[in-house]
This record gives sequence, structure tokens and C-alpha cells, in this order.
Amino acid sequence: DIQMTQSPSSLSASVGDRVTITCRASRAISYSLAWYQQKPGKAPTLLLYAASRLQTGIPSRFSGSGSGSDYALTITSLQPEDFATYYCQQYYNRFRTFGQGTKLEIK
Amino acid sequence: QVQLEQSGAEVKKPGASVKVSCKASGYAFTDYYVHWVRQAPGQGPEWVGWTNPNSGGTEYAQKFQGRVTLTRDTSISTAYMELNKLGSDDTAWYFCARTGLPGHDVFDLWGQGTMVTVSS
Repeated sequence: DIQMTQSPSSLSASVGDRVTITCRASRAISYSLAWYQQKPGKAPTLLLYAASRLQTGIPSRFSGSGSGSDYALTITSLQPEDFATYYCQQYYNRFRTFGQGTKLEIK
Repeated sequence: QVQLEQSGAEVKKPGASVKVSCKASGYAFTDYYVHWVRQAPGQGPEWVGWTNPNSGGTEYAQKFQGRVTLTRDTSISTAYMELNKLGSDDTAWYFCARTGLPGHDVFDLWGQGTMVTVSS
């Protein structure tokens, strides 16, 4: 299986800040990467796929970048509703795997 | 509206089986694969497997091979996940999710989740 490693595991930030979360795959995954947001007690929500394509209805303050085995999720101008846990997921390999998550907390 | 509605919480004893349902509405059930993903408390999601509602075909994560069965009933647009020989480490939220974006194997629609607790 392809291992997905996210960093940091937790992050404190303020409303209006810009934050970046990184995700490293154990091998190159050719942009086959998605990002999800999850709030407590809820299912994950798809934010981006193909590393940088924004899912319909997701605000443009969310963006994705990267290539090979290294990817990043950037949120510009944090809003109160953005404080949540974020997961990356690879779909290059048919045995899809997720990162362990990054919890974004209010400073 | 487009949604996946899952069955309610379950409490099972070790060694038992559990069957969770996932009813699709608002879209053509047979057009998109249904996957199952589980999430233990405080952990990241873990992919369990998929079922093709059109053909009934399935694929399972190696970890669950021999212990999980995914089925569907197209007459009621419902997918099922049955997990056998439950242990305490199977305590988790179980989600069904659709891969609905052509060419991209990502989960664009999720059920609300079913909490399965395994306890003696």
C-alpha cells in the first residue's frame, strides 16, 4: 500500500491567516490526490481532487499544489468555519489510502 | 436531494457480525460505485472496499479479505456491508461513499456514518 504522511498533525491559527498542510506519499502518485475536510461527528467533505481541482461549491480560498510524491493544501484568509480536520487521500493505487489527518484549531 | 442514508448505530459482541445499509436517492444508483470507509475514534479514514451497483462486482482491501462482504439491492437502491468475526478493533464509524467524478476515484458524496461498537 502507498503510505500517506501529513504534516503537521495539528496547527493553531487565527481567522484571516494563511495556512499550508503538506502530504507526502511513499511513492509518486501522479497528481492522484484528494483533500477532504471533516468536522466533529460528520462525514468528510471533498475539497479538491487531481491535486489542484476545486470541487464544485468549495470556496476559492482553498487551493492545492504539488507533484510527484509531495502535495500541499493551502487555505488563504481562514474563516471560522474552516477550523476542522483535513485529510489527504491517494487514488493512484486502487487500494486507496488516507493520511492520518491535520487538526486545524483556533489560536 | 442527492444523498446516501445509512442505517443506525449498532452494538455487537466480539465474534458477532454486523450488516450496515446505505440507501441512495436523488441519482441513478447503478451509475456510480459505492465504497465503504471506516474511521476508528481519533484515527484517519481507512478504505474497506467497493461494490459496483450495476454488475454486483466487488473489491476489498487486503486487510478485510475473507471477513467483509459487500452487496447491493438495485430494486431499493441500497448497498450493504457485512463484517464478520468482529473484534474490539472494529469499533469505528463506517461510512458509505460514492465515487461520482468521471476519471477521478474520489468520494464526492458520503453517507452520514454508522457507529459500530464492539464490546462484551
